Formats: sequence, structure tokens, C-alpha cells
Amino acid sequence: AQSVTQPDIHITVSEGASLELRCNYSYGATPYLFWYVQSPGQGLQLLLKYFSGDTLVQGIKGFEAEFKRSQSSFNLRKPSVHWSDAAEYFCAVATNTGGFKTIFGAGTRLFVKA
Amino acid sequence: NAGVTQTPKFRILKIGQSMTLQCTQDMNHNYMYWYRQDPGMGLKLIYYSVGAGITDKGEVPNGYNVSRSTTEDFPLRLELAAPSQTSVYFCASSLQQVSNQPQHFGDGTRLSIL
Repeated sequence: AQSVTQPDIHITVSEGASLELRCNYSYGATPYLFWYVQSPGQGLQLLLKYFSGDTLVQGIKGFEAEFKRSQSSFNLRKPSVHWSDAAEYFCAVATNTGGFKTIFGAGTRLFVKA
Repeated sequence: NAGVTQTPKFRILKIGQSMTLQCTQDMNHNYMYWYRQDPGMGLKLIYYSVGAGITDKGEVPNGYNVSRSTTEDFPLRLELAAPSQTSVYFCASSLQQVSNQPQHFGDGTRLSIL
């Protein structure tokens, strides 16, 4: 069965430091992969997505993610974190087998300290 | 541009009461979705619709009903509220089902059943 694991419930980084949020998935074929961000009291916003092709994808707000098939991972990165990046981040995986099978991870809450 | 609009933002219900969560989008999207988000969990799909007059169950449909009489509106109905339905509900939409993933989310409805 498909699954998505975000190993870190929360992460704290200093403003200006680099960030990496981990995401591992379980799926037999090549999945569609996504990262969303959720600010308090708001809905999710799509940061970036991977369908095929270049395994390094660029998203909005300076984020990027790298698909590593051998590790079943799709980690989110940002070279320099800003205080406004404090939010909850969700990784999701979807299949192209028809029907709606998008699975969300439990989320990682990012805290940014001055 | 309003995007996806959900009403109400907050609601408290008594056990056994009924209510309708409203969702409307002004982007002419064919695909609409209802999710619930519980603490420490990712989003779970309740129902989805691929166009006016067409709806289908998601992962956790029990206790809910939906209708899609127009492209813009996708209300979610709780007939007999139960404490297990205490959650934050998100409506989402997307233009096409390229990868089964929603692209635009509303800000959510926080529902408590007491």
C-alpha cells in the first residue's frame, strides 16, 4: 500500500540557516510527489511537484526538492530560511492509476529562531 | 480573485445535530475535494467530484454527504454529528486530474462536536 512518512514532527532552524525536510514514500511505480505548506489558520499551498524528468525541481518561495528513486525520498530544501517560512509542511504522493489516491504525510512543523 | 471560499470558519455543534459546510470556487475548476485534517495527521479525503452532477467517495466518507449541482459549489453535509467528526475541514479544487492532486485550498472550517 502507498504511504508517506515524514520522520520529523518538528524542526527548529535559525534564520538564515539552510533547511532540509525529509519525506519518504512507499509505492511500487514512479509516483507523483508534492510538497505543500500550511500557515496557521490557512489552507495548504502547493510549493512544488514532481511528475517526471529532472529529479531536482524548483518551487515557489525559493524551495527545491530532489527525487531520489533509490532512497524512495523527496526531500525539501531551502538554502536560507526566513522567519516567514515558519509553518507546517506536508509531503504527498499520488499515483496515476486512476481514481483519487493522493496520500499526505503527517506533516513537519518548522520553527524559525532569530 | 477569491479562489476557494469556505463558510463558516468555525462552528460548534451538539451531538446529533446536522449542518452543511459550504464551499465555492470561482476558477471554473472541474475537480473539487473535501478533506479533513486531524491533529498530527495528514489530510484524509472524504469526497470528491469531477464535475457538476458527479461525486464519489474518498477514503473516509462515512457520516458525510455531498452534492455538486453547479461547477462552483460543493457543499458537505453532516446529517448526525458525532464527536469523531470534530476536525478541521478543507475544500480544494483543481482544473484537471493530471495527477489526482488538488491545487487550491480554502482556509478551512474548524468544527467541534460536543
